[in-house]
Amino acid sequence: KAGVTQTPRYLIKTRGQQVTLSCSPISGHRSVSWYQQTPGQGLQFLFEYFSETQRNKGNFPGRFSGRQFSNSRSEMNVSTLELGDSALYLCASRDGGGDTQYFGPGTRLTVL
Amino acid sequence: GNSVTQMEGPVTLSEEAFLTINCTYTATGYPSLFWYVQYPGEGLQLLLKATKADDKGSNKGFEATYRKETTSFHLEKGSVQVSDSAVYFCALSARGGSTLGRLYFGRGTQLTVWP
Repeated sequence: KAGVTQTPRYLIKTRGQQVTLSCSPISGHRSVSWYQQTPGQGLQFLFEYFSETQRNKGNFPGRFSGRQFSNSRSEMNVSTLELGDSALYLCASRDGGGDTQYFGPGTRLTVL
Repeated sequence: GNSVTQMEGPVTLSEEAFLTINCTYTATGYPSLFWYVQYPGEGLQLLLKATKADDKGSNKGFEATYRKETTSFHLEKGSVQVSDSAVYFCALSARGGSTLGRLYFGRGTQLTVWP
């Protein structure tokens, strides 16, 4: 099976703009989780979607949002970008019955 | 609450040396435990996992044993290679409720192996 894919791999934006990142899970996986990775804060959980429903959310402001489509593909959106949003954004998928998450290569977002 | 603490890095070793990276956890309930590895410019790769006490996860010469009595999941390898140079993350997955779909990670340990 193909692994988790994320697009784009790299993004450069300026403060105040918004951005949308995409994640395609492993075929058959219905759960997608998103994480932010920064040198200062490490890996932080953003949210988890299962069958198009957000089931869990981390401690991030409302500027961070997401959604999941009927084919399990997921997007996350960050509005009104701030310099501190520069990070590697990782998504992970798992099948509904297990707890092992498989990660994509990440999207490197740079906010100038 | 749920949290993971792993030893501070960086760790620098010569090729064929023995590796230990310590990991301890606190959790509500009975978690599953994982080690992930991240190579430069890449995402996280699952290295090994264990789901219950005394389970030993192993892969590519790496091993870790789920120790409930000491709440630990230390990563070991008998003989490291230059290609093992990477950042290693210990993580836990708690059971259900508000922890759905969420992994709790340690801060990561940078390993550098010299030839």
